[in-house]
Amino acid sequence: DVKVTQSSRYLVKRTGEKVFLECVQDMDHENMFWYRQDPGLGLRLIYFSYDVKMKEKGDIPEGYSVSREKKERFSLILESASTNQTSMYLCASSSLSGGSYNEQFFGPGTRLTVL
Amino acid sequence: AQSVTQLDSQVPVFEEAPVELRCNYSSSVSVYLFWYVQYPNQGLQLLLKYLSGSTLVKGINGFEAEFNKSQTSFHLRKPSVHISDTAEYFCAVSASGTYKYIFGTGTRLKVLA
Repeated sequence: DVKVTQSSRYLVKRTGEKVFLECVQDMDHENMFWYRQDPGLGLRLIYFSYDVKMKEKGDIPEGYSVSREKKERFSLILESASTNQTSMYLCASSSLSGGSYNEQFFGPGTRLTVL
Repeated sequence: AQSVTQLDSQVPVFEEAPVELRCNYSSSVSVYLFWYVQYPNQGLQLLLKYLSGSTLVKGINGFEAEFNKSQTSFHLRKPSVHISDTAEYFCAVSASGTYKYIFGTGTRLKVLA
């Protein structure tokens, strides 16, 4: 069974802290994505990666960075957390080959609260 | 660039009634279309997708959608809903040959007993 896991379901941090959100997929997918989900706004792409050490900015990259040192792992970093980064963060992965062509598989999400 | 519009933010419907969730998109290139479902406190799960071929696509849990190129729509339908279908539904578009999605803002389906 394909799987995308995220390191935490719930996280509470203080303003100014450095925050790491980890995502791991076991499907050998080339592409990995970080989204944030806010009520009424749907999912917005923060960053994506199409290969190890390769990354591209999405629609809302400000205040975030990412790291992909291994194919299966994609980390989202909040350099200095702020209250407006309180949100649900979703990780996804996909492949451009095979029967699940271009289908994105999602993790369960991390609900981050910044106080 | 692509965009997706889900006009209905909330749709209440009685159990065993039919439902249609609307999705319209805009794009200057060929697209792939997807519907995802999100149950409370969970990630997103693929319901169905249109890549090419037949414009009527059948998915899981009795859902289907029809790709209408002339109306740039990809509406999701189910002939008879259950309480367990209560969830948020997202439409997404991806330009052919790319792997980035553009998501709609979601439609919250509430099935009433």
